[in-house]
Amino acid sequence: RKEVEQDPGPFNVPEGATVAFNCTYSNSASQSFFWYRQDCRKEPKLLMSVYSSGNEDGRFTAQLNRASQYISLLIRDSKLSDSATYLCVVILNTNAGKSTFGDGTTLTVKP
Amino acid sequence: NAGVTQTPKFRILKIGQSMTLQCTQDMNHNYMYWYRQDPGMGLKLIYYSVGAGITDKGEVPNGYNVSRSTTEDFPLRLELAAPSQTSVYFCASSPRAGGRYEQYFGPGTRLTVT
Repeated sequence: RKEVEQDPGPFNVPEGATVAFNCTYSNSASQSFFWYRQDCRKEPKLLMSVYSSGNEDGRFTAQLNRASQYISLLIRDSKLSDSATYLCVVILNTNAGKSTFGDGTTLTVKP
Repeated sequence: NAGVTQTPKFRILKIGQSMTLQCTQDMNHNYMYWYRQDPGMGLKLIYYSVGAGITDKGEVPNGYNVSRSTTEDFPLRLELAAPSQTSVYFCASSPRAGGRYEQYFGPGTRLTVT
């Protein structure tokens, strides 16, 4: 079983749709969580951190459920420019080498 | 503030050749990482460093070497290139301090070994 698992998709949605991605992790000692966005053939870019209380940045909302060991990303009012691969990252703060990236979920937003 | 820079952007190597991928960051981060990403796959950690003079292996270190003589620079050396090392290589840095554990990535080096 992978340490971090994501549904690879692809998710194909129309503009204006709401779409949600989940990411499950196996190490209950994990402490920091992030969502990254990666465009085709480009570097991953930090989208947002994920906190237990949930956090929102414009059309994006991230949630952490420690009991069930998953994080989620909700995108409202999808734009064409949201088309990308979304990576979840789970970090064990006490181990510098343990930043585990999911393989990513691909989103395509269509006109 | 350039962030994380990598050179070269592209490189084609013949089997058995060697090269060094350069990585520099200007954010004064102690932690630096090298990843490879094969087509359609996720990131795999090759090596990481927690500060100048300290490096450690990641998930896939075979065929690579690193050094960290300064906080800013973290070069990755490929010895005896093999076709299996064809990949995109990303360097990243992280503060890992003050509650900040996020990583910042360079633009990547696209390497082909033929």
